[in-house]
Amino acid sequence: AQSVAQPEDQVNVAEGNPLTVKCTYSVSGNPYLFWYVQYPNRGLQFLLKYITGDNLVKGSYGFEAEFNKSQTSFHLKKPSALVSDSALYFCAVRDEDNAGNMLTFGGGTRLMVKP
Amino acid sequence: DSGVTQTPKHLITATGQRVTLRCSPRSGDLSVYWYQQSLDQGLQFLIQYYNGEERAKGNILERFSAQQFPDLHSELNLSSLELGDSALYFCASSYNRLAGDDNEQFFGPGTRLTVL
Repeated sequence: AQSVAQPEDQVNVAEGNPLTVKCTYSVSGNPYLFWYVQYPNRGLQFLLKYITGDNLVKGSYGFEAEFNKSQTSFHLKKPSALVSDSALYFCAVRDEDNAGNMLTFGGGTRLMVKP
Repeated sequence: DSGVTQTPKHLITATGQRVTLRCSPRSGDLSVYWYQQSLDQGLQFLIQYYNGEERAKGNILERFSAQQFPDLHSELNLSSLELGDSALYFCASSYNRLAGDDNEQFFGPGTRLTVL
């Protein structure tokens, strides 16, 4: 079985400050991890993924994520937040051994960046 | 724009009715996925098709069914609708050469279903 937890329903940060959106996962095999962002009345947009290799993954719009196997975490980060980053962020996982490709999503974290 | 299209954007219907949601994947993508997003259940995987065949099934109700056609577009059929079926239904697609491929999924804009 695969599962994801996003412990914070909302994260508030001031523009220009660094941001972190937390994600922890559980899989029986090796994880494939993804971050998506959802703007109001829009579909989910892919930000970045971790499959294997370097634990620090860089993605779209200046976002990056750090994979930590021992803590089973995949936190999303950005060095300097923009007001336009305000949106709903979803972490997702898939077990490498999963014959299908379906993703299990966390509950989402609303990021609010204040000017 | 992800390249995945979904129609209609909005659908309002009554309990007990049947509706069909349509999805066209990105050009070249062989896999289509359906997800349901609701306030109480979050974002949940329903079903996946790969090149016309069902590959994986999630929390899909028996009243719901899907298919993928030879041109790779997919339809999700929802019948005997209940108030609780009101949700945003997303289609996603990806190119998977092999089972267990690591390619990301690209999501359409969704169909918002309201059951009155």
